[in-house]
Amino acid sequence: EAQVTQNPRYLITVTGKKLTVTCSQNMNHEYMSWYRQDPGLGLRQIYYSMNVEVTDKGDVPEGYKVSRKEKRNFPLILESPSPNQTSLYFCASSLLFLGGSNSPLHFGNGTRLTVT
Amino acid sequence: GNSVTQMEGPVTLSEEAFLTINCTYTATGYPSLFWYVQYPGEGLQLLLKATKADDKGSNKGFEATYRKETTSFHLEKGSVQVSDSAVYFCALNSGGSNYKLTFGKGTLLTVNP
Repeated sequence: EAQVTQNPRYLITVTGKKLTVTCSQNMNHEYMSWYRQDPGLGLRQIYYSMNVEVTDKGDVPEGYKVSRKEKRNFPLILESPSPNQTSLYFCASSLLFLGGSNSPLHFGNGTRLTVT
Repeated sequence: GNSVTQMEGPVTLSEEAFLTINCTYTATGYPSLFWYVQYPGEGLQLLLKATKADDKGSNKGFEATYRKETTSFHLEKGSVQVSDSAVYFCALNSGGSNYKLTFGKGTLLTVNP
């Protein structure tokens, strides 16, 4: 089954303790992206990747890192989490990103992160 | 910059009622427009899209028409069902080197039997 898999689904951690949220897709998609969803703000892009070893900042990259060493994986790294990073995080992938023409974004089921 | 404004929710309807969720946008050039749906506990799924002016996207009984003159992409459904209860997001991509979707804040729809 074609899917985007995120882990974990739920994570509670403390300020400053490094964590990684994993994302994997089995569709051979070139484009991958991370969004965070906050009440009243909708979804905002954190980072994206056009292909292996090609990543770039989105709208809210501060406090996050990503890597794209393999096509299928795009982990999100919080080196020193803070309470303002408490949010619902979504990974998404697309075959290509050509201005959203015929390559819809496929989303994972989300990771709910709480930083205390 | 690009932005999407959609009607504030929540919206509560009875089964078989008519649904409209308003969406207007600000963007450079000629953006592609999308509606995504998020069911409880799940990620977003593409519901429908339109890539040029006057295009109508449709899926599962939902429709939206790309109106460039009013910069709008309102979502409609003639007869909603309980299973349509979800959060609906309007989104756009302006193309070129813009490698993201710009989302509205989402509208929660609850349909009661």
